[in-house]
Amino acid sequence: QVQLVQSGSELKKPGASVKVSCKASGYTFTSYAMNWVRQAPGQGLEWMGWINTNTGNPTYAQGFTGRFVFSLDTSVSTAYLQISSLKAEDTAVYYCARELHGYDGSFDYWGQGTLVTVSS
Amino acid sequence: SSELTQDPAVSVALGQTVRITCQGDSLRSYYASWYQQKPGQAPVLVIYGKNNRPSGIPDRFSGSSSGNTASLTITGAQAEDEADYYCNSRDSSGNRLVVFGGGTKLTVL
Repeated sequence: QVQLVQSGSELKKPGASVKVSCKASGYTFTSYAMNWVRQAPGQGLEWMGWINTNTGNPTYAQGFTGRFVFSLDTSVSTAYLQISSLKAEDTAVYYCARELHGYDGSFDYWGQGTLVTVSS
Repeated sequence: SSELTQDPAVSVALGQTVRITCQGDSLRSYYASWYQQKPGQAPVLVIYGKNNRPSGIPDRFSGSSSGNTASLTITGAQAEDEADYYCNSRDSSGNRLVVFGGGTKLTVL
């Protein structure tokens, strides 16, 4: 069965960096695009961007350029989200989500989410 | 970039039918997908494409679209349907971007 398993919660100080992992199983990792979605406390879902798991080419949404980096390790079917120069407003749950073939923007499987807390 | 607009909150009596709407220019070109999110859980895809349900989603969930408005209809709402519902679609810019609506809190009375 398809599963996306994310790394555990993180507590970081402002200015630090964090790397969230999303390990896929149950399907061919390079056959489906991977998206990242942020959800701040008590807020809605915000699309951060996606990465082409074939080429490794990332696309970032407005507001997620510069400090946010998507990457892959296809040898272990894992996608990564790295955030640098963390700010308090980066506190959120971060989800990875697989994009369904042929259905624009439809995310059929989601990771369980990783809570990143930024606090001094 | 495009925006998708949803009503913040909607309520429905147990067993009745409720429609949750999502408006935006991108919906003239792309279908919306709909997600259900319960507290402390990851979102779950409930409708995609013209009106497709993933395996395991009850058939009381259906989707439709007209002009710039997409709708999620729950026919015979159950207590377990109480959740936040989000729509999303491709952004109309054509750059393979995605946009989410702000979400609708559904209360089942």
